Amino acid sequence: EIVLTQSPGTLSLSPGERATLSCRASQSVSSSYLAWYQQKPGQAPRLLIYGASSRATGIPDRFSGSGSGTDFTLTISRLEPEDFAVYYCQQYGSSPVTFGQGTKVEIK
Amino acid sequence: QVQLQESGPGLVKPSQTLSLTCTVSGGSISSGDYYWSWIRQPPGKGLEWIGYIYYSGSTYYNPSLKSRVTISVDTSKNQFSLKLSSVTAADTAVYYCARVPWGPGVWFDPWGQGTLVTVSS
Repeated sequence: EIVLTQSPGTLSLSPGERATLSCRASQSVSSSYLAWYQQKPGQAPRLLIYGASSRATGIPDRFSGSGSGTDFTLTISRLEPEDFAVYYCQQYGSSPVTFGQGTKVEIK
Repeated sequence: QVQLQESGPGLVKPSQTLSLTCTVSGGSISSGDYYWSWIRQPPGKGLEWIGYIYYSGSTYYNPSLKSRVTISVDTSKNQFSLKLSSVTAADTAVYYCARVPWGPGVWFDPWGQGTLVTVSS
């Protein structure tokens, strides 16, 4: 199965700053079949990005995804207070579907 | 808009079978446009895909759980269900149901709120 490694484990930033989250796959993710989710404490994950770069319905354009092959990035251009959360990547290019271990974006 | 809601016992004894149901509202589980999935998250840990089902009954399971998992669908009630047998403390987790688009893409949207299942005697 494909192992996804997210870095850093924790990102300490201030509102208004740019956040860059990395997701590296143990083997190439076919067709850029990669998604990103946001999870806040006590809540279910929320889909942000699918197909590596397509924003889900209702997701603000400050969230963007990029990458291909084994290296993918989620960028939050300017952090809003509601963006401080845990972010997970997920691949679906190879069965079974797998998730990364998460990156926590915390207020500095 | 479609909403999903998990239900079932919050406490299961070791070696017994965990049973959960997901009720779909705001859309038909029989529409054919989606698969219906279960995902779990142990407390303080990451996410693990369990499996998904199509309205016709076709199922796809995570190989790591396949021997213990059964997912079924009841189109008349607009529900799908999860059974996980021979549970241990390692199966303690928040269990989520979610929708998956039919086609080559497997992403989860939306999710139910989740239900915590604790395995303990």
